[in-house]
Amino acid sequence: AQKVTQAQTEISVVEKEDVTLDCVYETRDTTYYLFWYKQPPSGELVFLIRRNSFDEQNEISGRYSWNFQKSTSSFNFTITASQVVDSAVYFCALSKETSGSRLTFGEGTQLTVNP
Amino acid sequence: KAGVTQTPRYLIKTRGQQVTLSCSPISGHRSVSWYQQTPGQGLQFLFEYFSETQRNKGNFPGRFSGRQFSNSRSEMNVSTLELGDSALYLCASSLAGGVPKDTEAFFGQGTRLTVV
Repeated sequence: AQKVTQAQTEISVVEKEDVTLDCVYETRDTTYYLFWYKQPPSGELVFLIRRNSFDEQNEISGRYSWNFQKSTSSFNFTITASQVVDSAVYFCALSKETSGSRLTFGEGTQLTVNP
Repeated sequence: KAGVTQTPRYLIKTRGQQVTLSCSPISGHRSVSWYQQTPGQGLQFLFEYFSETQRNKGNFPGRFSGRQFSNSRSEMNVSTLELGDSALYLCASSLAGGVPKDTEAFFGQGTRLTVV
């Protein structure tokens, strides 16, 4: 069975601070995909990144960066110089399906960035 | 291009009734998945449809069913509604072309179902 754990339920920071959202996963599959999604108050889940299990290279996209460590089964997400617009619930997810369906989600982390 | 469209956005139903939710995927996407989001259980996978066939199914009772039409639009049905079915129901579509770049799932804004 697959499992994703986001131990941080809520994080509150002041604008311009850096913040890291933790994600730990469990799976017996050798091929799998990891995702991060952002859910603003409007409800839809916004795709941020996908990583496959064979690619441990860290990735940076603007103020966002991701650290994938297979040895510790972690896929952490860092926002540098946070902004108020980053306030949202962030979900880490796991899938073994090439289609990206059947996502197993973590509990989510509510990030609040205060001005 | 247009995103994933879910209708209706809000719905109030009475216990025991049935409800049908609709999802129109992004043009060209063949896979449609449904998820239930509740404060207690979080986001849970319901089922996936691909080319009009159910390809994957989560751990939900038979009261939850779905289907997909030839144009990839999908409907989800819940019969004999219970109070615990109150949730945000999210639909996601993807190309599902079998290569990594096709694994990105795009979500709609969801249907907020309230059972009273």
